[in-house]
Amino acid sequence: GAVVSQHPSWVICKSGTSVKIECRSLDFQATTMFWYRQFPKQSLMLMATSNEGSKATYEQGVEKDKFLINHASLTLSTLTVTSAHPEDSSFYICSAIRGEGETQYFGPGTRLLVL
Amino acid sequence: GQQLNQSPQSMFIQEGEDVSMNCTSSSIFNTWLWYKQDPGEGPVLLIALYKAGELTSNGRLTAQFGITRKDSFLNISASIPSDVGIYFCAGPDYGGATNKLIFGTGTLLAVQP
Repeated sequence: GAVVSQHPSWVICKSGTSVKIECRSLDFQATTMFWYRQFPKQSLMLMATSNEGSKATYEQGVEKDKFLINHASLTLSTLTVTSAHPEDSSFYICSAIRGEGETQYFGPGTRLLVL
Repeated sequence: GQQLNQSPQSMFIQEGEDVSMNCTSSSIFNTWLWYKQDPGEGPVLLIALYKAGELTSNGRLTAQFGITRKDSFLNISASIPSDVGIYFCAGPDYGGATNKLIFGTGTLLAVQP
């Protein structure tokens, strides 16, 4: 199978600071990466779809200026939570696909706690 | 929009028991995916179904693509403690961008050794 990593695995930050989360496809090139958010006891909710070299497509209700996504290469996408607030505390998971219609491979997730 | 509802929400069973869970939708899907999420981890794909009526196995896991294309079932036989986790069904979001998935509400499985 394909391996997707995330860094960091967890982060605690103060309210008002920005946090960057990395998502990497380790053994394949990902044409598209996805960013999800999962609150406790809830399902995964897609935040945005990211294609290499182009602007991310955000889901309805997700603020693009707050959740900055950069997909600079075929193996790396970053999600930056700007001016984080306690309500942004959640489990952020990325996934990646090799090509259109391919299986999504998920990263291990990043747990964010904003104090 | 499309929604996937899973039942039961949670199950607490004894080791060795068989488990059955299902996923239903108000709209038709052409693909059904079953994922397992261990605590504090990302989901891992268990089984993918692409054809109505299809029955596919992966070890002790068996999943079926409903004939109506509006439901799918996942069965786990002879459960073991490492089966603990949340099981999600997922399907393509036909109203959204290509490759976008919709996830079900999840079934939490706990196995008593």
